[in-house]
Amino acid sequence: GDSVTQMEGPVTLSEEAFLTINCTYTATGYPSLFWYVQYPGEGLQLLLKATKADDKGSNKGFEATYRKETTSFHLEKGSVQVSDSAVYFCALRGGTSYGKLTFGQGTILTVHP
Amino acid sequence: NAGVTQTPKFQVLKTGQSMTLQCAQDMNHEYMSWYRQDPGMGLRLIHYSVGAGITDQGEVPNGYNVSRSTTEDFPLRLLSAAPSQTSVYFCASTTDYEQYFGPGTRLTVT
Repeated sequence: GDSVTQMEGPVTLSEEAFLTINCTYTATGYPSLFWYVQYPGEGLQLLLKATKADDKGSNKGFEATYRKETTSFHLEKGSVQVSDSAVYFCALRGGTSYGKLTFGQGTILTVHP
Repeated sequence: NAGVTQTPKFQVLKTGQSMTLQCAQDMNHEYMSWYRQDPGMGLRLIHYSVGAGITDQGEVPNGYNVSRSTTEDFPLRLLSAAPSQTSVYFCASTTDYEQYFGPGTRLTVT
């Protein structure tokens, strides 16, 4: 079945540091890929998405590129802020299964001033 | 436009009690889902629905029932609560490419 693996956390960075959170997946066919963010005490919000190979999703300075050859969708940001502290989830949706997302385990990011 | 709403926000149950977690959306989405979130395990799909009157099981359906009598509402029922069901529960409704999540219900079963 489908699965998503994220890098082990937590990740602790200083403000303005470069961020990478690794995400790899296993799926049949051509899944759509997502990054969600969860701020403390809140639900999940879509951060960015990519629906086909080589697509780059971007939002709020975050980027991720859909790499089919390496089955990866790594999240990057060039300069993190304290306000980026949150839990980040990589997820995939297979085919037309609109109501079903498969999530990674989540990566806790803490950014210090 | 309230999006996805969930009630209650917090709940404590004793083992064996039953309850219903409520979920409603006002975006006229056909697809709705229930997930549970446990530390270190991400979100896991419990049940989902592709429209009124149609539901199906997800990855961890045991101990939970759902029904979908209207497009707007998708309640999740715990028939006999167990400590293993202590978790945070999220409801979501879905367009073609985005799931909108509710604020969650934190459930503790003692």
